[in-house]
Amino acid sequence: QITLKESGPTLVKPTQTLTLTCTCSGFSLTTRGVGVAWIRQPPGKALEWLAVINWEADERYSPSLRSRLTITKDTSKKQVVLTMTNMDPVDTATYYCAHLPSFAYYFDYWGQGTLVTVSS
Amino acid sequence: QSVLTQPPSVSAAPGQRVTFSCSGSNSNIGSNYVSWYQQVPGTAPKLLIYHNNQRPSGIPDRFSGSKSGTSATLGITGLQTGDEADYYCATWDSGLSVSVFGGGTKLTVL
Repeated sequence: QITLKESGPTLVKPTQTLTLTCTCSGFSLTTRGVGVAWIRQPPGKALEWLAVINWEADERYSPSLRSRLTITKDTSKKQVVLTMTNMDPVDTATYYCAHLPSFAYYFDYWGQGTLVTVSS
Repeated sequence: QSVLTQPPSVSAAPGQRVTFSCSGSNSNIGSNYVSWYQQVPGTAPKLLIYHNNQRPSGIPDRFSGSKSGTSATLGITGLQTGDEADYYCATWDSGLSVSVFGGGTKLTVL
């Protein structure tokens, strides 16, 4: 059974760096073709894809946020970590991590999400 | 502004059929598979359709998907009040090398 769970701070101050962790179970981060993505959703707004890392540790980022994002993985801990620098109130959102099955671009399993508020 | 275009809302009566449209371009829908997600407010999105028209196990056949050119469509038949949710389309954009979502369509079951 595949599960993902996000963890991290619920409140960050403007200009701070956000670090979110996605703890995965039921699959290996090194299985050929598998990926984990981060997706966010501001309150009342649409889903926004942020980044993905695949089994070979190849990374892709949203062009509009590329300069602020880093996605990494720790295969031994079965964790995928997203860091976002220079946080702003407009970054207030629920952040989800999601599993991508073998060589596919859809998201078949999602974490429950974690709400991050950016406020001084 | 989302790369994929979806109407903001749609409504229909219980038991009726409803469709959701998703419009893109040659670099995204035109050359890649489309997936659809259902999101009940306050919960995580749930995969409904992948590879344009495939249903994951556990998704009833009331839900269907299709794609033509640079547009995709999600259909729901036999509408139920429990289908009230936001529905998102998504695909890969080969030009941008990123995944893209539509702006979502809110379904109201009257």
